[in-house]
Amino acid sequence: RKEVEQDPGPFNVPEGATVAFNCTYSNSASQSFFWYRQDCRKEPKLLMSVYSSGNEDGRFTAQLNRASQYISLLIRDSKLSDSATYLCAGTGNQFYFGTGTSLTVIP
Amino acid sequence: DGGITQSPKYLFRKEGQNVTLSCEQNLNHDAMYWYRQDPGQGLRLIYYSQIVNDFQKGDIAEGYSVSREKKESFPLTVTSAQKNPTAFYLCASTIAGEQFFGPGTRLTVL
Repeated sequence: RKEVEQDPGPFNVPEGATVAFNCTYSNSASQSFFWYRQDCRKEPKLLMSVYSSGNEDGRFTAQLNRASQYISLLIRDSKLSDSATYLCAGTGNQFYFGTGTSLTVIP
Repeated sequence: DGGITQSPKYLFRKEGQNVTLSCEQNLNHDAMYWYRQDPGQGLRLIYYSQIVNDFQKGDIAEGYSVSREKKESFPLTVTSAQKNPTAFYLCASTIAGEQFFGPGTRLTVL
């Protein structure tokens, strides 16, 4: 079983929509969690860390549910520029990445 | 500017040749990592190093080798033993629990 699993999508949503991604993780000892954004043929870039209390950065909200072992990313008021692949990651003795969820925001 | 640099951006090699990918960082980060990414797939860990002169195998180390003689540098050699080396290779470093990536090297073996 993979350490971190996420729905690969693709998600195709209209501009202005709200979209949510989820990742589940198998190692209950995982300490920290992150969301990364990866544009086509580029490196992943850290989008935000994920805390149990939830954290928000503009239109983006990340949440961690340790009891159910999942993390989520909510994007409100989607923009065309949000189109990318979103990777979740967790840490134990190393970083574990999900396979990524592809998002396309349609005009 | 501080950051992680990888060179070259694109690399072409003939089958059976060893090739070394460069990764340099001036962020003073202790831990460095090498990942491989194939089309439509996530990141798979090849090797990582928590400190100078020490490194550990990741999930797919076979056919690869690394060295960590300096804190700033973590080169990856793709050997002829790697059966399917064509991929996007990403180097990363970690500080305060957060991981940051270099721009990657796209290796094509002909």
